[in-house]
Formats: sequence, C-alpha cells, structure tokens
Amino acid sequence: AQKVTQAQTEISVVEKEDVTLDCVYETRDTTYYLFWYKQPPSGELVFLIRRNSFDEQNEISGRYSWNFQKSTSSFNFTITASQVVDSAVYFCALSEQNTDKLIFGTGTRLQVFP
Amino acid sequence: DAGVIQSPRHEVTEMGQEVTLRCKPISGHNSLFWYRQTMMRGLELLIYFNNNVPIDDSGMPEDRFSAKMPNASFSTLKIQPSEPRDSAVYFCASRWDTADTQYFGPGTRLTVL
Repeated sequence: AQKVTQAQTEISVVEKEDVTLDCVYETRDTTYYLFWYKQPPSGELVFLIRRNSFDEQNEISGRYSWNFQKSTSSFNFTITASQVVDSAVYFCALSEQNTDKLIFGTGTRLQVFP
Repeated sequence: DAGVIQSPRHEVTEMGQEVTLRCKPISGHNSLFWYRQTMMRGLELLIYFNNNVPIDDSGMPEDRFSAKMPNASFSTLKIQPSEPRDSAVYFCASRWDTADTQYFGPGTRLTVL
C-alpha cells in the first residue's frame, strides 16, 4: 500500500539557517512519482517538484534542493539560507504508475523567524 | 495560461442549505480532482474524473455530496443539505495525463454555521 510519512510536524528556524524537511514513502511499485507542494499562509497549494523513481539525481533550484534516495525510501527537501517568505506548510506526495491518486503526507509546518 | 479557477473563494452558509462549488480546470487537462482539507483529516481525495467521466468517488463522505463534470472545462461539487462538519477548504486540481503533476486551484473555504 502507498504511504507517505512526514514525521516532522513543525519546524522553527531563524532566517538564514538551512533546514531539511524529511519525507519517507512506502510503495510496492517500481515505477512511481514523488512530489513536493508548498502551502503558504494564503492557503493555495503550490507545486514545487516532481521526481520519477528512475531518476535519483539530486535537484537544485535556487535555494531549494531535493535529495532522493531509493535505498532509504526518502525524498528530503532542503531550504538553504531560509527566509521569512519560506514560512508555509510543505507536503510530500506519492503517485504510483497507472494510478490516478496522489497520496499526501500530513505536512510539515515551517516557521522562519526574522 | 490561467491556472485552475475555483469559485467562490469563500462561502458561508447555514446548516441545511445547498452549497455549490465550481471549478474550471487548466485548458487541455484531461483529469480533474476534488479534495477536501481539514485539520483533523488533512488532504482527502473526494472524487476524480478522467475525460469528464467520474472514475472513483469512494472518497465522497456520503450521499449529501455529489459532483458533476458536464464538459471538459467545468465541474461542480454540490453539498445538499450542508452540515457544520462539512466546513473545510475544498480544492480542485487538474492534470494532463496519468502520473502527471496535479495543479491545484486556490481553494474554496466553506463555513457551515
């Protein structure tokens, strides 16, 4: 069965600190897709990244980076030099091949203080 | 391109009233999803459509909830009669193809008094 676990319920950091949000997933499929979404205080869900199971290369986009490790079934998200605008709830999600459903984790609330 | 459009953004109604939420998916997307987000249950998939056909409505809480997609550019989620426990944020999302990224609308915050 599919499952996504975000063990960190809430993280607080001071601006300019680096922070890593953990995501662990469970699936029996060999082909699957992993996602991160951001939900800022305004409430919308913003897509950040999609990664398929055959691409284990880490990805960097500005201050954001993602570490995908199949060996540990993890897809962690790091924000470098955090800013107040990064304050949001971040969701990790999983979708298996040939399925239409997106399974979300419970989210991690990140608070960045000035 | 415009993103997913939802209306209204906020809805306050009284228990027993009918509520209709609307969604316009991204043009060209073949799948549409309705989610509900609450503090207690997080993000739940209610129902989804592929090519305007309902595929899985197992997440619909009960018969008071119904959803339609009369064409590729419009969907509604109706609650009749509404109850206070239906208070939540309802999101619509659309996607081009299976396993593709789902893009979410801004959500409708529903409050049932």
